[in-house]
Amino acid sequence: DTAVSQTPKYLVTQMGNDKSIKCEQNLGHDTMYWYKQDSKKFLKIMFSYNNKELIINETVPNRFSPKSPDKAHLNLHINSLELGDSAVYFCASSQAAGRMSNEKLFFGSGTQLSVL
Amino acid sequence: GDSVTQMEGPVTLSEEAFLTINCTYTATGYPSLFWYVQYPGEGLQLLLKATKADDKGSNKGFEATYRKETTSFHLEKGSVQVSDSAVYFCALKGNSGYSTLTFGKGTMLLVSP
Repeated sequence: DTAVSQTPKYLVTQMGNDKSIKCEQNLGHDTMYWYKQDSKKFLKIMFSYNNKELIINETVPNRFSPKSPDKAHLNLHINSLELGDSAVYFCASSQAAGRMSNEKLFFGSGTQLSVL
Repeated sequence: GDSVTQMEGPVTLSEEAFLTINCTYTATGYPSLFWYVQYPGEGLQLLLKATKADDKGSNKGFEATYRKETTSFHLEKGSVQVSDSAVYFCALKGNSGYSTLTFGKGTMLLVSP
């Protein structure tokens, strides 16, 4: 069983469209994250949720809206897609957040988003 | 703020060569330090970690020692294999509040037979 699974694996879409990426973890973790990896492999945190509550929200355009219906799921919705949104988006989870976390992140295999 | 600097890649080696990937960090206090590895088409996986000065993390033949005096956490392996070809990320986690991992820019390693 895949610990952190995200769908779709590939997403090709036109500028201006709205799209969603789904993420689920079956590890019983409390904290989930979204990271963006650009074409040069640079990895940047976007959001973090702990028990369905937003705890980290980096400087990300408000076209990006995360939603956590329960602590096992963290979806990412993107409105009005732009060319610069093309990247690989990784979902991750960890057992806890902050100082008490065990610091080990489990990553999904990524969603490659291409905006044309 | 916290930051991680690691050597630019790609690093190209022949099988059985010695590997060093340099990593230095800037952080307040006493962060935890990590190396993550990303194989082609996959997400990142934790390779090793060290949580205090002079700790040595090790896994799968890779080692890194937390050096507070030089703020470094260099990754080493005595004899690389083709299967070690991947992108390696150095990362740190501060010890205050809801800090999360800060990653370096990644170093691609290519090992040829």
